[in-house]
Amino acid sequence: EVQLVESGGGLVQPGGSLRLSCAASGFTFSSYSMNWVRQAPGKGLEWVSYISSSSSTIYYADSVKGRFTISRDNAKSSLYLQMNSLTDEDTAVYSCAKAVGGTRLDYWGQGTLVTVSS
Amino acid sequence: EIVLTQSPGTLSLSPGERATLSCRASQSVSSRYLAWYQQKPGQAPRLLIYGAFSRATGIPDRFSGSGSETDFTLTISRLEPEDFAVYYCQQYGSSPPFTFGPGTKVDIK
Repeated sequence: EVQLVESGGGLVQPGGSLRLSCAASGFTFSSYSMNWVRQAPGKGLEWVSYISSSSSTIYYADSVKGRFTISRDNAKSSLYLQMNSLTDEDTAVYSCAKAVGGTRLDYWGQGTLVTVSS
Repeated sequence: EIVLTQSPGTLSLSPGERATLSCRASQSVSSRYLAWYQQKPGQAPRLLIYGAFSRATGIPDRFSGSGSETDFTLTISRLEPEDFAVYYCQQYGSSPPFTFGPGTKVDIK
C-alpha cells in the first residue's frame, strides 16, 4: 500500500523558514517523480514544485521560486521542501504527491499545515 | 502559463442525477495531459481521470472524461451519495506550471 506522510509543519513568523518532509513507502520511491501541492484554508489546490526521480529536473511555481527548494533522498525514500522568507500567503496545507505518466498525481499524502503569522 | 477555468462553481443536484462539469483552458492542452481529481472534506484529492479520458485504477465507470484542446468535461452519469465533493481539473503538460482549475463543488440539492 502506497503511503505518503508529511511532517514539519507548524507556526512560523513572517520571514521565517521551515523544512517539510514526506516519508514514502509502498512503492519504489527512486523510480518516480514527486511533487508538492498546497491548499490555503478554504481555497483550491496550487501546484508548488516538482522533482524528477533522479533530481535532475526541478520546477517551481512562480509564487515560490527563489524562496523554496525541493529535494529528495532516494536512499531514505524521503522528499523535502525547504521554505524560506515565508509570508502569510504561504499559509496552507502542504501535501506531497507521487507522479506517474508525466505529472498526473496518483497518490497524495494527507498534508501538513503551515501557518505563517506573527 | 495555462489558466484553467471551471464551471459552474457549484452544482446542486440530487442522487441519481447526471452531473456535467466543465474545464476550459486559456490555450490548447494536449489531451494526454488533462486530469480530474475529487476531493472530499478533510481528505486528500483522489485521481479520477487522466489523459482526458482514462479512468484511474478503481474509479467506477459512472465517471467519464471527454474533450480536447481547450474544452474538457467530466461527467458523472448517476450521482451516488459518495460523489458529493469538490472536483478539480489539472493540466500536467511537458512544461510547468502544472496548474489546477479553481474547482467545482457538487452538493446535494
